[in-house]
Amino acid sequence: DQQVKQNSPSLSVQEGRISILNCDYTNSMFDYFLWYKKYPAEGPTFLISISSIKDKNEDGRFTVFLNKSAKHLSLHIVPSQPGDSAVYFCAASALGNEKLTFGTGTRLTIIP
Amino acid sequence: GAVVSQHPSWVICKSGTSVKIECRSLDFQATTMFWYRQFPKQSLMLMATSNEGSKATYEQGVEKDKFLINHASLTLSTLTVTSAHPEDSSFYICSARTAGRLYQPQHFGDGTRLSIL
Repeated sequence: DQQVKQNSPSLSVQEGRISILNCDYTNSMFDYFLWYKKYPAEGPTFLISISSIKDKNEDGRFTVFLNKSAKHLSLHIVPSQPGDSAVYFCAASALGNEKLTFGTGTRLTIIP
Repeated sequence: GAVVSQHPSWVICKSGTSVKIECRSLDFQATTMFWYRQFPKQSLMLMATSNEGSKATYEQGVEKDKFLINHASLTLSTLTVTSAHPEDSSFYICSARTAGRLYQPQHFGDGTRLSIL
Protein backbone atom coordinates (compact mmCIF):
# COMPACT_ATOMS: atom_id res chain seq x y z
CA ASP A 1 0.00 0.00 0.00
CA GLN A 2 2.05 2.90 -1.33
CA GLN A 3 0.42 5.97 0.18
CA VAL A 4 2.95 8.37 -1.33
CA LYS A 5 3.92 7.86 -4.94
CA GLN A 6 6.51 9.39 -7.19
CA ASN A 7 5.69 7.98 -10.59
CA SER A 8 8.80 9.23 -12.36
CA PRO A 9 11.86 7.28 -11.26
CA SER A 10 14.14 9.61 -13.17
CA LEU A 11 14.19 13.05 -14.78
CA SER A 12 16.82 14.84 -16.87
CA VAL A 13 16.79 18.62 -17.21
CA GLN A 14 19.08 21.07 -18.95
CA GLU A 15 21.05 23.39 -16.69
CA GLY A 16 19.26 26.70 -16.25
CA ARG A 17 15.84 25.28 -17.03
CA ILE A 18 13.04 24.46 -14.60
CA SER A 19 12.91 21.04 -12.93
CA ILE A 20 9.46 19.84 -11.89
CA LEU A 21 9.17 16.83 -9.63
CA ASN A 22 5.78 15.35 -8.89
CA CYS A 23 4.28 13.44 -6.01
CA ASP A 24 0.82 11.97 -5.42
CA TYR A 25 -0.70 10.74 -2.19
CA THR A 26 -3.76 8.74 -1.28
CA ASN A 27 -4.20 9.32 2.45
CA SER A 28 -6.56 12.27 3.01
CA MET A 29 -5.32 12.54 6.61
CA PHE A 30 -1.92 13.80 5.45
CA ASP A 31 -1.58 17.49 6.22
CA TYR A 32 2.15 18.17 6.14
CA PHE A 33 4.33 17.54 3.12
CA LEU A 34 8.08 17.72 2.71
CA TRP A 35 10.74 17.38 0.04
CA TYR A 36 14.14 15.92 0.75
CA LYS A 37 17.24 15.68 -1.42
CA LYS A 38 19.55 12.69 -1.06
CA TYR A 39 23.00 11.84 -2.34
CA PRO A 40 24.25 8.22 -2.31
CA ALA A 41 25.50 7.00 1.06
CA GLU A 42 24.24 10.13 2.81
CA GLY A 43 21.13 10.95 4.80
CA PRO A 44 18.34 13.00 3.22
CA THR A 45 18.64 16.78 3.41
CA PHE A 46 15.48 18.75 4.12
CA LEU A 47 14.63 21.18 1.32
CA ILE A 48 11.19 22.65 1.79
CA SER A 49 7.82 21.81 3.30
CA ILE A 50 4.21 22.89 3.14
CA SER A 51 1.23 22.43 5.41
CA SER A 52 -2.25 21.77 4.11
CA ILE A 53 -3.46 25.28 4.92
CA LYS A 54 -1.29 26.62 2.10
CA ASP A 55 -1.09 25.85 -1.58
CA LYS A 56 2.35 27.28 -2.25
CA ASN A 57 5.58 27.76 -0.36
CA GLU A 58 8.72 29.30 -1.78
CA ASP A 59 12.32 29.28 -0.61
CA GLY A 60 14.90 30.64 -2.99
CA ARG A 61 15.05 28.47 -6.10
CA PHE A 62 12.64 25.94 -4.61
CA THR A 63 8.85 26.20 -4.69
CA VAL A 64 6.42 23.55 -3.54
CA PHE A 65 2.83 23.53 -4.79
CA LEU A 66 0.04 21.60 -3.11
CA ASN A 67 -3.25 20.66 -4.75
CA LYS A 68 -5.33 19.09 -2.02
CA SER A 69 -8.30 18.23 -4.19
CA ALA A 70 -6.05 16.27 -6.53
CA LYS A 71 -3.87 14.95 -3.69
CA HIS A 72 -0.86 16.12 -5.62
CA LEU A 73 2.23 18.14 -4.84
CA SER A 74 5.12 19.27 -6.93
CA LEU A 75 8.56 20.72 -6.40
CA HIS A 76 9.83 23.32 -8.83
CA ILE A 77 13.53 24.13 -9.01
CA VAL A 78 14.47 27.13 -11.07
CA PRO A 79 17.01 27.65 -12.41
CA SER A 80 18.35 24.11 -12.22
CA GLN A 81 22.02 23.75 -11.38
CA PRO A 82 24.41 20.77 -11.71
CA GLY A 83 24.56 20.50 -7.91
CA ASP A 84 20.85 19.74 -7.91
CA SER A 85 21.55 16.31 -9.37
CA ALA A 86 20.41 13.88 -6.67
CA VAL A 87 17.48 11.69 -5.66
CA TYR A 88 14.47 13.66 -4.44
CA PHE A 89 11.98 12.16 -2.01
CA CYS A 90 8.62 13.58 -1.12
CA ALA A 91 7.22 12.69 2.29
CA ALA A 92 4.00 13.24 4.17
CA SER A 93 2.67 13.08 7.69
CA ALA A 94 -0.72 13.36 9.35
CA LEU A 95 -1.56 15.78 12.16
CA GLY A 96 -0.81 14.23 15.51
CA ASN A 97 1.43 11.60 13.94
CA GLU A 98 5.09 12.48 13.62
CA LYS A 99 5.86 9.54 11.34
CA LEU A 100 6.81 10.34 7.77
CA THR A 101 5.73 8.26 4.82
CA PHE A 102 8.20 8.54 1.96
CA GLY A 103 7.71 8.24 -1.76
CA THR A 104 9.96 6.04 -3.85
CA GLY A 105 12.14 8.89 -5.06
CA THR A 106 12.96 10.56 -8.36
CA ARG A 107 16.53 10.73 -9.61
CA LEU A 108 17.13 14.19 -11.06
CA THR A 109 20.03 14.69 -13.44
CA ILE A 110 20.96 18.20 -14.50
CA ILE A 111 22.70 18.26 -17.84
CA PRO A 112 25.36 20.98 -18.15
CA GLY B 1 21.00 24.71 12.71
CA ALA B 2 19.19 21.36 13.06
CA VAL B 3 22.25 19.15 12.74
CA VAL B 4 21.98 15.43 13.37
CA SER B 5 25.15 13.42 13.78
CA GLN B 6 25.24 9.67 13.26
CA HIS B 7 28.14 7.44 14.18
CA PRO B 8 29.75 5.30 12.88
CA SER B 9 29.30 5.97 9.20
CA TRP B 10 30.51 2.53 8.15
CA VAL B 11 30.79 -0.78 9.95
CA ILE B 12 32.05 -4.14 8.72
CA CYS B 13 31.85 -7.00 11.16
CA LYS B 14 31.51 -10.75 11.45
CA SER B 15 28.22 -12.57 11.66
CA GLY B 16 27.01 -12.87 15.26
CA THR B 17 28.45 -9.53 16.36
CA SER B 18 26.28 -6.84 17.93
CA VAL B 19 26.64 -3.36 16.52
CA LYS B 20 25.64 -0.08 18.16
CA ILE B 21 24.80 3.03 16.13
CA GLU B 22 24.51 6.43 17.76
CA CYS B 23 22.31 9.31 16.69
CA ARG B 24 22.77 12.75 18.23
CA SER B 25 20.95 16.03 17.71
CA LEU B 26 23.75 18.55 18.05
CA ASP B 27 21.99 21.89 18.31
CA PHE B 28 18.43 21.12 19.31
CA GLN B 29 16.47 18.91 21.65
CA ALA B 30 14.59 15.99 20.20
CA THR B 31 12.00 14.16 22.25
CA THR B 32 11.44 11.93 19.25
CA MET B 33 13.98 10.29 17.00
CA PHE B 34 13.34 7.88 14.18
CA TRP B 35 15.29 4.96 12.76
CA TYR B 36 15.04 4.04 9.09
CA ARG B 37 16.51 1.39 6.89
CA GLN B 38 17.17 1.78 3.20
CA PHE B 39 17.84 -1.04 0.77
CA PRO B 40 19.61 -0.28 -2.52
CA LYS B 41 17.50 1.77 -4.92
CA GLN B 42 14.55 1.74 -2.55
CA SER B 43 12.85 4.28 -0.36
CA LEU B 44 13.39 4.81 3.34
CA MET B 45 11.46 2.39 5.51
CA LEU B 46 10.68 3.44 9.05
CA MET B 47 11.80 0.83 11.56
CA ALA B 48 10.91 2.46 14.85
CA THR B 49 10.11 5.68 16.64
CA SER B 50 12.32 6.42 19.61
CA ASN B 51 10.87 8.46 22.45
CA GLU B 52 13.04 9.95 25.16
CA GLY B 53 12.50 8.21 28.47
CA SER B 54 10.11 5.57 27.18
CA LYS B 55 10.04 2.42 25.09
CA ALA B 56 10.42 2.67 21.37
CA THR B 57 7.52 2.00 19.05
CA TYR B 58 8.38 -0.52 16.35
CA GLU B 59 6.81 -0.78 12.93
CA GLN B 60 5.11 -3.99 11.91
CA GLY B 61 7.57 -6.68 10.96
CA VAL B 62 10.54 -5.18 12.80
CA GLU B 63 11.92 -7.44 15.52
CA LYS B 64 12.29 -5.43 18.71
CA ASP B 65 14.65 -7.99 20.23
CA LYS B 66 16.84 -7.77 17.16
CA PHE B 67 16.94 -4.00 16.91
CA LEU B 68 17.29 -2.55 20.40
CA ILE B 69 16.63 1.15 20.71
CA ASN B 70 17.52 3.35 23.65
CA HIS B 71 16.70 7.06 23.88
CA ALA B 72 18.31 8.07 27.16
CA SER B 73 18.42 11.83 26.65
CA LEU B 74 16.91 14.60 24.55
CA THR B 75 19.93 14.52 22.25
CA LEU B 76 20.91 10.86 21.97
CA SER B 77 19.29 7.72 20.65
CA THR B 78 21.08 4.44 19.98
CA LEU B 79 20.20 1.48 17.77
CA THR B 80 21.85 -1.84 18.57
CA VAL B 81 21.66 -4.57 15.97
CA THR B 82 22.03 -7.71 18.06
CA SER B 83 23.68 -10.87 16.74
CA ALA B 84 23.85 -9.38 13.27
CA HIS B 85 23.66 -11.63 10.24
CA PRO B 86 24.33 -10.92 6.54
CA GLU B 87 20.65 -10.19 5.90
CA ASP B 88 20.95 -7.27 8.34
CA SER B 89 23.42 -5.60 6.01
CA SER B 90 21.85 -2.32 4.98
CA PHE B 91 22.01 1.46 5.23
CA TYR B 92 20.57 2.66 8.54
CA ILE B 93 19.58 6.30 8.95
CA CYS B 94 18.31 8.19 11.97
CA SER B 95 16.36 11.41 12.12
CA ALA B 96 15.31 13.81 14.83
CA ARG B 97 12.63 16.41 15.18
CA THR B 98 12.43 19.54 17.30
CA ALA B 99 10.44 18.90 20.43
CA GLY B 100 7.01 20.31 21.01
CA ARG B 101 6.24 22.11 17.76
CA LEU B 102 3.85 21.29 14.94
CA TYR B 103 4.87 21.15 11.32
CA GLN B 104 8.55 20.74 11.90
CA PRO B 105 10.66 18.66 9.53
CA GLN B 106 12.69 15.68 10.54
CA HIS B 107 16.41 16.22 10.12
CA PHE B 108 18.53 13.25 9.16
CA GLY B 109 21.94 11.96 10.03
CA ASP B 110 24.31 10.85 7.29
CA GLY B 111 23.53 7.19 7.79
CA THR B 112 25.49 4.09 8.74
CA ARG B 113 26.38 1.47 6.21
CA LEU B 114 26.41 -1.89 7.96
CA SER B 115 28.06 -4.83 6.25
CA ILE B 116 27.92 -8.22 7.94
CA LEU B 117 30.34 -10.84 6.64
